[in-house]
Amino acid sequence: DADVTQTPRNRITKTGKRIMLECSQTKGHDRMYWYRQDPGLGLRLIYYSFDVKDINKGEISDGYSVSRQAQAKFSLSLESAIPNQTALYFCATSDSWTGVEDEQFFGPGTRLTVL
Amino acid sequence: RKEVEQDPGPFNVPEGATVAFNCTYSNSASQSFFWYRQDCRKEPKLLMSVYSSGNEDGRFTAQLNRASQYISLLIRDSKLSDSATYLCVVIGGNQFYFGTGTSLTVIP
Repeated sequence: DADVTQTPRNRITKTGKRIMLECSQTKGHDRMYWYRQDPGLGLRLIYYSFDVKDINKGEISDGYSVSRQAQAKFSLSLESAIPNQTALYFCATSDSWTGVEDEQFFGPGTRLTVL
Repeated sequence: RKEVEQDPGPFNVPEGATVAFNCTYSNSASQSFFWYRQDCRKEPKLLMSVYSSGNEDGRFTAQLNRASQYISLLIRDSKLSDSATYLCVVIGGNQFYFGTGTSLTVIP
């Protein structure tokens, strides 16, 4: 089984709908992240959480919210989806800050299309 | 100015060729550096960390130049399986900053 899972893997929705993307991990990592990837723009950080009581905005948090329900679960919500939120969304985890060993492990991604 | 900048390519090279990618970063206080590999429609995966002294893993060599604020990745004896997008990643201020990626296609 994959260490980092995302559901759904693909979603098509309409403008104005509320959408939740879910991420679960079995790696036991404290740190979890949500990114979006767009062609030509690379990966951009939306939100990150260093533990269940810690939530931080990333580079592009407007229009998104998150919930860290447990150490293993981190969900991303789009309260009212708009077409420019069409993108590939990745969840990632990492262990505590230890310098060069801070590898991030990514989920398989969720392809979201907002019509 | 972007935190991390990469030449998007594409780089199209024949099998067996040597190819090098560079990546520049803007924050001189950046702490850690990595190269990730991303296959089409897949998640990024760590290729190698980049140490100040440089490091080598088989056909792959990564180097860091703090004075000029760039990191490099050298791939020797390219294989068809090396075709992918290579992402430069820099850690600064508790955040990971990803480059847009450099596309490599190795041609038979």
